[in-house]
Amino acid sequence: EDKVVQSPLSLVVHEGDTVTLNCSYEVTNFRSLLWYKQEKKAPTFLFMLTSSGIEKKSGRLSSILDKKELFSILNITATQTGDSAVYLCAAERYNNNDMRFGAGTRLTVKP
Amino acid sequence: GAVVSQHPSWVICKSGTSVKIECRSLDFQATTMFWYRQFPKQSLMLMATSNEGSKATYEQGVEKDKFLINHASLTLSTLTVTSAHPEDSSFYICSARGGAGNQPQHFGDGTRLSIL
Repeated sequence: EDKVVQSPLSLVVHEGDTVTLNCSYEVTNFRSLLWYKQEKKAPTFLFMLTSSGIEKKSGRLSSILDKKELFSILNITATQTGDSAVYLCAAERYNNNDMRFGAGTRLTVKP
Repeated sequence: GAVVSQHPSWVICKSGTSVKIECRSLDFQATTMFWYRQFPKQSLMLMATSNEGSKATYEQGVEKDKFLINHASLTLSTLTVTSAHPEDSSFYICSARGGAGNQPQHFGDGTRLSIL
């Protein structure tokens, strides 16, 4: 059975802290690993990772995929209150190109 | 780019009513669209995959006669919740994926459905 597991489920930090969010997956016909940020409404796209060991960066956010260990991390440096959200990772499969989502990590950044 | 519009954003209706939700890709052609359901404080559960011009593929446990999906064009998919009951109340989100290359799914803003 396909599964995507995120940890921790929730995290409370203070502004300026660095956080690391984890995502492990076991998915048949794996194609890519995606990270999304969900605030009040629908998820917004952050990263799509297809190759192992290649870090993707966007400002204070970065992510990397390990296809051997079936694992990805999302790093956020110098956190701000605006980073407070649920971060979802999803494993996309070939064939249908559908995604299996993890339960999400709820990040709260306190001022 | 890659904007997905979902309408309506919020629906309240009586039990037994059928409700149609539209999902449009505004600036790209979406060969595949996806419909998800999300319960409070839970993750997104894939309901079905919708391919333009063909029948939708439903996930196990999702009633295809209850949740009718139509993907009549490359920019529009609709989800109709037929004879809705209170247990169908949820947040429904669509996503769309362009056909070219390795493109991520982009999400609409979701529809909050409340059945009284």
